[in-house]
Amino acid sequence: SQTIHQWPATLVQPVGSPLSLECTVEGTSNPNLYWYRQAAGRGLQLLFYSVGIGQISSEVPQNLSASRPQDRQFILSSKKLLLSDSGFYLCAWSPGFPGNTIYFGEGSWLTVV
Amino acid sequence: DAKTTQPPSMDCAEGRAANLPCNHSTISGNEYVYWYRQIHSQGPQYIIHGLKNNETNEMASLIITEDRKSSTLILPHATLRDTAVYYCIVRVASGYNTDKLIFGTGTRLQVFP
Repeated sequence: SQTIHQWPATLVQPVGSPLSLECTVEGTSNPNLYWYRQAAGRGLQLLFYSVGIGQISSEVPQNLSASRPQDRQFILSSKKLLLSDSGFYLCAWSPGFPGNTIYFGEGSWLTVV
Repeated sequence: DAKTTQPPSMDCAEGRAANLPCNHSTISGNEYVYWYRQIHSQGPQYIIHGLKNNETNEMASLIITEDRKSSTLILPHATLRDTAVYYCIVRVASGYNTDKLIFGTGTRLQVFP
């Protein structure tokens, strides 16, 4: 069966420090991959999505970036965190064919101090 | 921008059916309607999805109008554990490089004893 792993689950980072969140999907190949963010008390905002290795689409201009170095690996990064980057970050995947379910990971809580 | 409109909140008595409406008047012919729910900022949980026909699974039923401009999620016998934010989403997949879920603000369903 397919599983999605996301880490770290929780982190506290100072302003101006770098960020790396990692997401890995097991049990499938060539998935669509997504990064979402949810600020406190807000809805989910799509940040990046990828329909194949080396292909990244950005939804919101910001100081975050995403990379897909391997087929089932999706990384969210920042060179310098801002206070406004605090939030709940969620990775998700789908088999990539319209009509297939999109599955979410358990999320990572980021607090920038 | 979200392509769906939902009421911000609803109440339902435990044991009764919860009917959550969603408007998606600009939906295209190849776009699916998905429903997810989120409990206490966990990762969103998939409920059901559909294209044209009504759908039913062990969790819920999805009723889509004939013109596909709106739909209703039905939880047949709501329990206290169904208290959550419910998201109605149109899945945009207009080409090889475009496949994403855009979340709206959702409906906060409160099930009361």
